[in-house]
Amino acid sequence: KAGVTQTPRYLIKTRGQQVTLSCSPISGHRSVSWYQQTPGQGLQFLFEYFSETQRNKGNFPGRFSGRQFSNSRSEMNVSTLELGDSALYLCASSVAGTAQETQYFGPGTRLLVL
Amino acid sequence: GDSVTQMEGPVTLSEEAFLTINCTYTATGYPSLFWYVQYPGEGLQLLLKATKADDKGSNKGFEATYRKETTSFHLEKGSVQVSDSAVYFCALSHPQGGSEKLVFGKGTKLTVNP
Repeated sequence: KAGVTQTPRYLIKTRGQQVTLSCSPISGHRSVSWYQQTPGQGLQFLFEYFSETQRNKGNFPGRFSGRQFSNSRSEMNVSTLELGDSALYLCASSVAGTAQETQYFGPGTRLLVL
Repeated sequence: GDSVTQMEGPVTLSEEAFLTINCTYTATGYPSLFWYVQYPGEGLQLLLKATKADDKGSNKGFEATYRKETTSFHLEKGSVQVSDSAVYFCALSHPQGGSEKLVFGKGTKLTVNP
């Protein structure tokens, strides 16, 4: 079974631009979560989607948004990019999104904002 | 809110040495506890997990026991290998609220020398 895939793997943008990242979960998984990883703040939860509904959201500004499609694929969007948005963005999927489940992570999208 | 504290790294060991990485948590109720590992340039992989008090998670020679009385989930391995060099993250998810959101510690970088 294929793992979680994220595209693109690397991205360079300039301040003020917007970016869209994509995540394809493992087949049969209906829950997708997004995390931001930076050297300073570590791994921080962005949002979680289950069956096209946002179920939880982390403490990030409104410039960060996401959505999930009927095939469980998910996208996250960051508008008006800032230098501090440079990070590794990780997507994780699970079958039903319960707290006891294992979440399977993709390789991440590394975003550099210049 | 929920939080995870793990020992700061980096940790440098010789091959076949004993490994302990301390992890304590703050959370109400009975969270599920996880250890994830991140190899250079990759996403996170689940190493082991425990979903209730006194459970022991184990995988690839690594072990951790869910201790409710000390709110701890320390990672141990009896004999490390060079291939264990990676960053290790302790994490929890809370069953309340119907969310799988993971709260991570800062990570501990392990380097094993031959």
